[in-house]
Amino acid sequence: AQSVTQPDIHITVSEGASLELRCNYSYGATPYLFWYVQSPGQGLQLLLKYFSGDTLVQGIKGFEAEFKRSQSSFNLRKPSVHWSDAAEYFCAVGALGGYQKVTFGIGTKLQVIP
Amino acid sequence: DGGITQSPKYLFRKEGQNVTLSCEQNLNHDAMYWYRQDPGQGLRLIYYSQIVNDFQKGDIAEGYSVSREKKESFPLTVTSAQKNPTAFYLCATRPVQGSQPQHFGDGTRLSIL
Repeated sequence: AQSVTQPDIHITVSEGASLELRCNYSYGATPYLFWYVQSPGQGLQLLLKYFSGDTLVQGIKGFEAEFKRSQSSFNLRKPSVHWSDAAEYFCAVGALGGYQKVTFGIGTKLQVIP
Repeated sequence: DGGITQSPKYLFRKEGQNVTLSCEQNLNHDAMYWYRQDPGQGLRLIYYSQIVNDFQKGDIAEGYSVSREKKESFPLTVTSAQKNPTAFYLCATRPVQGSQPQHFGDGTRLSIL
């Protein structure tokens, strides 16, 4: 069965500091990995996705993620956090194409302090 | 996402009442999904549909029903059998072909009166 673990439920960082959100997954085949962001009361917006190719993926809003097969990880990073990055972040894993069953992590809530 | 419209934004249900949440899309996507979001539990799949007049149960379908009479529309009914309906409900769509990820609407928050 596929699963996603986001070990940090809540993270606080100072504006301008670097950020890394952790994500570990379990999947029987080649995974299709995603990071989404959600502002309060809103839907989910796709930040980036990975299926194959370069293991360092660039996304929107200055985010990037690195796929490490040996560690079953897909951590999200940003070199300098802005106050507008405060939101909840979800890592997800799924199959490519077809029905695309996607399993989401429980989310990491990011607080940014001045 | 401007191409997926969920309505209403807020909905209240009385005990024993069925309520229907609307999801409409103009992205011409074949597949549509309904998720339930509770604090600390991520998103859980309720139902999905890959084609008109066909849909499948997800992980937590009990107490919910759907229909897919048109490609653009995938309404979700929360029935009185769903004993804990208070949650944030999200609709998503994607093309069946290719490697496109799911796109999400802005959600409907359902509360019990």
